[in-house]
Amino acid sequence: GQSLEQPSEVTAVEGAIVQINCTYQTSGFYGLSWYQQHDGGAPTFLSYNALDGLEETGRFSSFLSRSDSYGYLLLQELQMKDSASYFCAPTGNTGKLIFGQGTTLQVKP
Amino acid sequence: DVKVTQSSRYLVKRTGEKVFLECVQDMDHENMFWYRQDPGLGLRLIYFSYDVKMKEKGDIPEGYSVSREKKERFSLILESASTNQTSMYLCASSPGSNSNTEAFFGQGTRLTVV
Repeated sequence: GQSLEQPSEVTAVEGAIVQINCTYQTSGFYGLSWYQQHDGGAPTFLSYNALDGLEETGRFSSFLSRSDSYGYLLLQELQMKDSASYFCAPTGNTGKLIFGQGTTLQVKP
Repeated sequence: DVKVTQSSRYLVKRTGEKVFLECVQDMDHENMFWYRQDPGLGLRLIYFSYDVKMKEKGDIPEGYSVSREKKERFSLILESASTNQTSMYLCASSPGSNSNTEAFFGQGTRLTVV
């Protein structure tokens, strides 16, 4: 079977660092993606980890531990525009992409 | 610019109608997906297609079917629409490579069944 867990809401202030955790159980797991979705918009791709370790893309980093079935998204130097929903999405070896319920991040001034 | 286009932004249909939601991508992607998004429930996968005429059920396929006769087009069919299928429907596509899984989404179709 498959399951996916991430916090439903996170609140942080501008300039801070926030970490959004994700634990998953996916048959034929191949890698973990992260997507961002602003209110009223479509999800957009942020990052993908196929190997253990940290991937950095500007202010955003993503981490994967395959042995722990765990990953996280790290957002640094938070800006108001980072207020959005963030989804972790494990990819199976067929390319199937499953999303969780998402984490709503609210950035306050 | 890469593009995934859904045929309608808003749709209102009657209970019992057969409804077709169309999605076209211009990136020559192998994979295409249909999701529905409801408040508090995230994105739930309805169906996934990894090649022309190939499909795999997602988490909530009941009441839906799909068609992929051409690589660029993936249709979602509601055989007999019901009010609990009122939702935002999102189509996406991605390459078939495991080294590049970036999925691109359409702008969504908000379907209301009355």
